[in-house]
Amino acid sequence: QKEVEQNSGPLSVPEGAIASLNCTYSDRGSQSFFWYRQYSGKSPELIMSIYSNGDKEDGRFTAQLNKASQYVSLLIRDSQPSDSATYLCAVNSQNTGRRALTFGSGTRLQVQP
Amino acid sequence: SAVISQKPSRDICQRGTSLTIQCQVDSQVTMMFWYRQQPGQSLTLIATANQGSEATYESGFVIDKFPISRPNLTFSTLTVSNMSPEDSSIYLCSVVMGMNTEAFFGQGTRLTVV
Repeated sequence: QKEVEQNSGPLSVPEGAIASLNCTYSDRGSQSFFWYRQYSGKSPELIMSIYSNGDKEDGRFTAQLNKASQYVSLLIRDSQPSDSATYLCAVNSQNTGRRALTFGSGTRLQVQP
Repeated sequence: SAVISQKPSRDICQRGTSLTIQCQVDSQVTMMFWYRQQPGQSLTLIATANQGSEATYESGFVIDKFPISRPNLTFSTLTVSNMSPEDSSIYLCSVVMGMNTEAFFGQGTRLTVV
């Protein structure tokens, strides 16, 4: 079982729709959760972090965390063609003393004009 | 977030040679990491660069192949040694600041071994 799992996609949504990206993780000790956006040929860019159960909103982005279900998601409202990218879910388990992140394989999002 | 300068941005190298990648940060950071991203794949951690001591390598990565230096809190290098075409990949420097776990990335080095 992979430590962080994502559907590779592509996830195709029309412009203006809500894109929903999902991620599950295996380590119950995980404490920090992140979403990165990676455009083709570019390095990952942090767009959201979430540390406690519930929702966290930032502009058009909402991150949702459910530690009991070991599930984290990212909603993108009013999707734009410029949102087309690969979205990487990343998890950190500080109780291991390891500060590095473990990444999922990423979900490719395509927003159709 | 910090400004992270990574160079070279890309290189084409002959097999059997070595390439050193540099990562410079504009402020002191707590942690520095090196990741590899193979074509179409996600990020895999190579090692944690420890200031003033040997790096901590992940399973499958060894110091002889990927020697790492971190002489101070703002600079690190990763060397890819005795390269083969299988080393063709993007190599990414990542930093964490303070007690956070948010990680930020350099621009990456796209390495092609021929």
